[in-house]
Amino acid sequence: DQQVKQNSPSLSVQEGRISILNCDYTNSMFDYFLWYKKYPAEGPTFLISISSIKDKNEDGRFTVFLNKSAKHLSLHIVPSQPGDSAVYFCAAPPSNTGKLIFGQGTTLQVKP
Amino acid sequence: NAGVMQNPRHLVRRRGQEARLRCSPMKGHSHVYWYRQLPEEGLKFMVYLQKENIIDESGMPKERFSAEFPKEGPSILRIQQVVRGDSAAYFCASSPLAVSENTEAFFGQGTRLTVV
Repeated sequence: DQQVKQNSPSLSVQEGRISILNCDYTNSMFDYFLWYKKYPAEGPTFLISISSIKDKNEDGRFTVFLNKSAKHLSLHIVPSQPGDSAVYFCAAPPSNTGKLIFGQGTTLQVKP
Repeated sequence: NAGVMQNPRHLVRRRGQEARLRCSPMKGHSHVYWYRQLPEEGLKFMVYLQKENIIDESGMPKERFSAEFPKEGPSILRIQQVVRGDSAAYFCASSPLAVSENTEAFFGQGTRLTVV
């Protein structure tokens, strides 16, 4: 039972353009959502989060949008930079468990 | 403040051998989580420990896998009698409190286990 899904395994974008990474979930009880970024041979690093009571959170070039009715969230990166090339995971926590459920990840390639 | 330290970074084991993966959490962090990433997949939760206690092991395979986080020393993920299907990247994360909207988990660089 995959509660958090990223249906696009890869995305290629030109430098300077917008990158949009998508994530769908099935559990309406998630209190918040996170995006992690992962470079090869490294561990995931936290990027940005959004509370389930909000529909948008912005941090610099990164904005996460949450559509609760559609059970969908998206990460927007604008403008995209070559250094943004990495695997992006969305994640969510089953309530009060301390653990995270991760999506399968989307590999973003930003071309110079 | 050093980050989460995992060792070894790479581990090769023959089928049937034991694998021991170590994780030293960040200073001041008493909560440790282990995740496994199989090729082309996302991270899957395995176990959550808080000093000497297993809080949640719902993601651990029932056999051959065990984890501990002793009062002194690193957390250990132990895999007995490894099989090829155990080949994966194993990530450890730590946090000062249970992960929540206000408490972030910090990940180590992972141990890549290859079973030959």
